[in-house]
Amino acid sequence: AQSVSQHNHHVILSEAASLELGCNYSYGGTVNLFWYVQYPGQHLQLLLKYFSGDPLVKGIKGFEAEFIKSKFSFNLRKPSVQWSDTAEYFCAVGGRDDKIIFGKGTRLHILP
Amino acid sequence: GAGVSQSPRYKVAKRGQDVALRCDPISGHVSLFWYQQALGQGPEFLTYFQNEAQLDKSGLPSDRFFAERPEGSVSTLKIQRTQQEDSAVYLCASSLRPPLTGDGYTFGSGTRLTVV
Repeated sequence: AQSVSQHNHHVILSEAASLELGCNYSYGGTVNLFWYVQYPGQHLQLLLKYFSGDPLVKGIKGFEAEFIKSKFSFNLRKPSVQWSDTAEYFCAVGGRDDKIIFGKGTRLHILP
Repeated sequence: GAGVSQSPRYKVAKRGQDVALRCDPISGHVSLFWYQQALGQGPEFLTYFQNEAQLDKSGLPSDRFFAERPEGSVSTLKIQRTQQEDSAVYLCASSLRPPLTGDGYTFGSGTRLTVV
């Protein structure tokens, strides 16, 4: 069965700091990987996804993630965070014929 | 509509009461998913439809939970004899094509169910 593990439950950073949120997954077949974001009071939105090809994926708002197959990881990065990045971030994994399974989420708080 | 619409936004139910939660997916979206998100947790998969067929209901926590999508568009999640542990946000998502394409889902705003 597939599973997702997010390393940090709560991260606090100052504006302009660099961000890396860890995500590891377990899945036996070809995998699709996602990062979703949930801003306060809003619904889940797709930030970026990996389906195939270049393992370095660029998403919206300056976010990127790197798929490292040997490490079963899909960490989310941003070189310089903004106060508006305060949100909860969910890593998710899905197989080609399967539903998407979410991690427990990382709550990111950016100090102005 | 432009997005996935869920109603009601908030529902307070007395323990033992039956509830019905509605999801209106994006027009033409084949796949529809229900998730349960407890406070401080990630969304947990409940069930999945492709058109009107319920292909996976492995995540439904008990036989008190029932979902349907009779005409392949609007879906209803029904919870019978609600219990306090059913309190959560129930999320609906839809996707244009089946999951094997790798498309991400479009989520609705959810229904927050509180059982008192």
